[in-house]
Amino acid sequence: TQLLEQSPQFLSIQEGENLTVYCNSSSVFSSLQWYRQEPGEGPVLLVTVVTGGEVKKLKRLTFQFGDARKDSSLHITAAQPGDTGLYLCAGVKGKLIFGQGTELSVKP
Amino acid sequence: NAGVTQTPKFQVLKTGQSMTLQCAQDMNHEYMSWYRQDPGMGLRLIHYSVGAGITDQGEVPNGYNVSRSTTEDFPLRLLSAAPSQTSVYFCASSLTGVGANVLTFGAGSRLTVL
Repeated sequence: TQLLEQSPQFLSIQEGENLTVYCNSSSVFSSLQWYRQEPGEGPVLLVTVVTGGEVKKLKRLTFQFGDARKDSSLHITAAQPGDTGLYLCAGVKGKLIFGQGTELSVKP
Repeated sequence: NAGVTQTPKFQVLKTGQSMTLQCAQDMNHEYMSWYRQDPGMGLRLIHYSVGAGITDQGEVPNGYNVSRSTTEDFPLRLLSAAPSQTSVYFCASSLTGVGANVLTFGAGSRLTVL
């Protein structure tokens, strides 16, 4: 059983569209991290959210941590082909626990 | 700075063979860890270490051994490779553990067991 459920697992959209990726759990995490991974590379940290209800923005990316610190979302506005990649959420609960990942493909 | 260096990048083994995946970091990080990444499964923690001489098991430790004789190196040993160990392996390190610190990943080692 996956402790962190990420959805959707696959997403293929056109350039300019908006999208949201969800990361859900029944467990409470002390913080939650989002990573982006490109083919042949390791994941790279995008953001860490720590406080329940926290919202962080990174250019066109908006990250939100749920009030109860059990879930998070990543919203991308006006997606671009350069956003293509695997997006991973990871909850901190002593160790770092990863979701299954969302493979995003943005077509020009 | 090289960051986290993993070798080899690709390896093919036969069932029953043993091998060691190497991981080295030059950032003086205390925390190091090994993950495996399989399609649809995300990254799963195999073993981790909070400092030289200290190691502990993660979610999926069976079939793997680790040691941490120096701060810089954290090799992962497969004792008797099985097809189920076909995966991409990532080594990652951070200053003093997960949470507040950034986890820096290596580029990965793709292992195929026939």
